Amino acid sequence: EIVLTQSPDFQSVTPKEKVTITCRASQSIGSSLHWYQQKPDQSPKLLIKYASQSISGVPSRFSGSGSGTDFTLTINSLEAEDAAAYYCHQSGSLPWTFGQGTKVEIK
Amino acid sequence: EVQLVDSGGGLVQPGGSLRLSCAASGFTFGSYDMNWVRQAPGKGLEWVSHISYSGGTVYYADSVKGRFTISRDNAKNSLYLQMNSLRAGDTAVYFCARRYCSSTGCLFDYWGQGTLVTVSS
Repeated sequence: EIVLTQSPDFQSVTPKEKVTITCRASQSIGSSLHWYQQKPDQSPKLLIKYASQSISGVPSRFSGSGSGTDFTLTINSLEAEDAAAYYCHQSGSLPWTFGQGTKVEIK
Repeated sequence: EVQLVDSGGGLVQPGGSLRLSCAASGFTFGSYDMNWVRQAPGKGLEWVSHISYSGGTVYYADSVKGRFTISRDNAKNSLYLQMNSLRAGDTAVYFCARRYCSSTGCLFDYWGQGTLVTVSS
């Protein structure tokens, strides 16, 4: 099983600050890594696909990078509406797995 | 507009059974693989089960293998999860999710709103 480890677990950030969340895979997964945003009492929403590809309708302040085992989600100029939990997910190898999540709080 | 509506959750005693449903609309249901993903209260996401577009291929997480059965009815645009021998550790919100595949790979692109299953005496 591929284990995804996110850091940090929690981040308290001021609006307009830059947020960086990392996801490390226990073995290489190429670019089969996706990022989801989940707000309280909502289902996950796809933010970034295949490590760095943008999703239609998602604000351009969200971007992703990385390949192999190390990946990064960046939120440039955080807005209040970005308060949520963020999860990385690998779809390259069964069982498909998720990172433990990073909760982003707005100060 | 793609819509996935989960239902069937509730309170069940340990050892009991429950059947979840996911009603799909806004896309050609029979052309897509579908999955169930769960989230225990205050915890992260855990993939549970997969079924191919035709129903011919299924996969399960080790934690539910032998107890849960995934199925689908393409004529009714519906996905199901039969859950037997339920344990306290199965308590979670269960989401159905569409699996979209392209030449690049596959991912979960649309999710239902989730249905809460509580296993408790």
